[in-house]
Amino acid sequence: ETGVTQTPRHLVMGMTNKKSLKCEQHLGHNAMYWYKQSAKKPLELMFVYNFKEQTENNSVPSRFSPECPNSSHLFLHLHTLQPEDSALYLCASSQDYGPLSYEQYFGPGTRLTVT
Amino acid sequence: SQQGEEDPQALSIQEGENATMNCSYKTSINNLQWYRQNSGRGLVHLILIRSNEREKHSGRLRVTLDTSKKSSSLLITASRAADTASYFCATDSTSGTYKYIFGTGTRLKVLA
Repeated sequence: ETGVTQTPRHLVMGMTNKKSLKCEQHLGHNAMYWYKQSAKKPLELMFVYNFKEQTENNSVPSRFSPECPNSSHLFLHLHTLQPEDSALYLCASSQDYGPLSYEQYFGPGTRLTVT
Repeated sequence: SQQGEEDPQALSIQEGENATMNCSYKTSINNLQWYRQNSGRGLVHLILIRSNEREKHSGRLRVTLDTSKKSSSLLITASRAADTASYFCATDSTSGTYKYIFGTGTRLKVLA
C-alpha cells in the first residue's frame, strides 16, 4: 500500500445529506491534496494544504469544505451536493509543496454517488 | 485547456510486446511525472523527469522528454498482463504555482 488511507471507500448520499471524507497519511509528509476524478475527464485538483495551511483552492464550490487539523489528516466535508458531484475523490500527500516537485502518494479513493 | 494530453487514448497489445504512450503539453515546465492507475484505485507514481533531463529509466520503464516539442513518451518494454492500467502524465508550470495538471490518460490493455 501507499501509506495513504481513505474512508469510507464507498459513499451514497442524498442531495440534502451532510457527510465527510477522511484521509490519513502515515508517511510524515507535509503536503496533502484532494482531487476529483470524473469519468472521461482529467484529474481535477481541488485543494492543497501545506503544513496545515491551505495553499490552493481551485475554484471549488463552497458545498465542499476541506479541513486539515494536522499534517497527517485531511477531511472533505460535503453538504448539499449535486448529482454531478458523483465521482472518485482521491487524497494524496507529498513531502512538501514547492519548487522541488515531489512525487505524490495517492490513497485508494472514495467512490461517491449523489442521488 | 488542460496542460497534458496523452496519446493514444486507448492501447491494446499482446503480452511481451512494448507499449508506447505519448504526452503533449502546452506551456513551459519544470518537471513531468508519469503515474499508473489500476481500475477504480488511486494513482501510483512511476517516474519524475526534470526539464533538464532527456531520458530516465526505471526497470522496464523508459521515459523521454523533448522540451522543444513539449512532449514526453513512456515506453513499457516486455509488457505483462499486470501492466493493464491507465497511465497519466502530470506537468507543473514555470508560472509560479507548484500544482500539477493531469491529462485524461491512456488506457492500456495487455492481453495474455
